[in-house]
Amino acid sequence: NAGVMQNPRHLVRRRGQEARLRCSPMKGHSHVYWYRQLPEEGLKFMVYLQKENIIDESGMPKERFSAEFPKEGPSILRIQQVVRGDSAAYFCASSFGLGTGELFFGEGSRLTVL
Amino acid sequence: DAKTTQPPSMDCAEGRAANLPCNHSTISGNEYVYWYRQIHSQGPQYIIHGLKNNETNEMASLIITEDRKSSTLILPHATLRDTAVYYCIVRPNTGNQFYFGTGTSLTVIP
Repeated sequence: NAGVMQNPRHLVRRRGQEARLRCSPMKGHSHVYWYRQLPEEGLKFMVYLQKENIIDESGMPKERFSAEFPKEGPSILRIQQVVRGDSAAYFCASSFGLGTGELFFGEGSRLTVL
Repeated sequence: DAKTTQPPSMDCAEGRAANLPCNHSTISGNEYVYWYRQIHSQGPQYIIHGLKNNETNEMASLIITEDRKSSTLILPHATLRDTAVYYCIVRPNTGNQFYFGTGTSLTVIP
């Protein structure tokens, strides 16, 4: 009964380093979403991907952030040259496909930039 | 981005019904209303969704007004574990994005 799996759950990086966050969707789900939640704030949509395609990246910062969802393996959210303002919880969600289905969320990856 | 308006916070006595309102006056005809909650810093949890008719499941009931411009999530017998931030979301009819607003912070009081 594996749900959406995210790892690492906690990640500490120094300014200028790279952070890689991984998300394995629920079995049978081919749509992945990434959200960011800054401390004491709501969830902000970042990017929506299907296998091998970025469908909507309207919420992604223009620089340093990228996401992929390869044919095999988990979705990766990559943050290059991290800054303190990147410290946040990053949540991944998955869904079966377009339609009325709900999103299923993982427990998040908490990034702390020192 | 969010197309909904919710009160920032509410209190509810344990064992009583919690009624959480949401305004979505610009909702389109084929857009669904979804409710999620986030307990402390956990991942958001799906509660319920609906289009026109009222819906009920083991967690809650969703009442949507006839003009669909507002809805109410009802937790029939609130417990301390229902303390969370509740998000009302209108799902666009194109694409598959869910945009979260600021939600309502519900505190269930013993």
